[in-house]
Amino acid sequence: KQEVTQIPAALSVPEGENLVLNCSFTDSAIYNLQWFRQDPGKGLTSLLLIQSSQREQTSGRLNASLDKSSGRSTLYIAASQPGDSATYLCAVRETSYDKVIFGPGTSLSVIP
Amino acid sequence: KAGVTQTPRYLIKTRGQQVTLSCSPISGHRSVSWYQQTPGQGLQFLFEYFSETQRNKGNFPGRFSGRQFSNSRSEMNVSTLELGDSALYLCASSWPTGTMLGGEQFFGPGTRLTVL
Repeated sequence: KQEVTQIPAALSVPEGENLVLNCSFTDSAIYNLQWFRQDPGKGLTSLLLIQSSQREQTSGRLNASLDKSSGRSTLYIAASQPGDSATYLCAVRETSYDKVIFGPGTSLSVIP
Repeated sequence: KAGVTQTPRYLIKTRGQQVTLSCSPISGHRSVSWYQQTPGQGLQFLFEYFSETQRNKGNFPGRFSGRQFSNSRSEMNVSTLELGDSALYLCASSWPTGTMLGGEQFFGPGTRLTVL
């Protein structure tokens, strides 16, 4: 059964710092991995999608990497800003049951 | 291009009632997925529809059902509501890739359901 974990559960950093969020999954049989952010009480905003054949994707200050064999993905945020404060979630679409499994999220707080 | 829309945004019901939630995907998207989000369980997959057919289903009781119409709009229904059904219900739409799988998911704002 696919399980997705995210470390740390919460993170507080000063503005301007570079940071890394981690996502781990137990079954490497995935189609893709997607990173989202969620602001309190809101829906999810897609950040990056990495297909299983890809190693990384970049969008602005964000860079996500995927190592399928080790079951890991990282989301790198450069020069963090207070507006980056949100919960970040990763999700994998598994091949076994063709379902999307979400991690519990990392709550990020960027202090001005 | 308009994003994913969900109606209603907020809903208050009492135990035993039933509820229907609606989701309109991004124009051109044919896949719609539904999720339940609670503080204790996080985001859990309910079901996914593609071209009016349910492709897969999560581990939820039969009280949770859904359907998709020919214009790709989707509805989910919860019958005999329980207190534990209080949650944020999110839908996501995607345009499948050439393999029909793996499309990027775009989420709506959600429907906040409170069961009293």
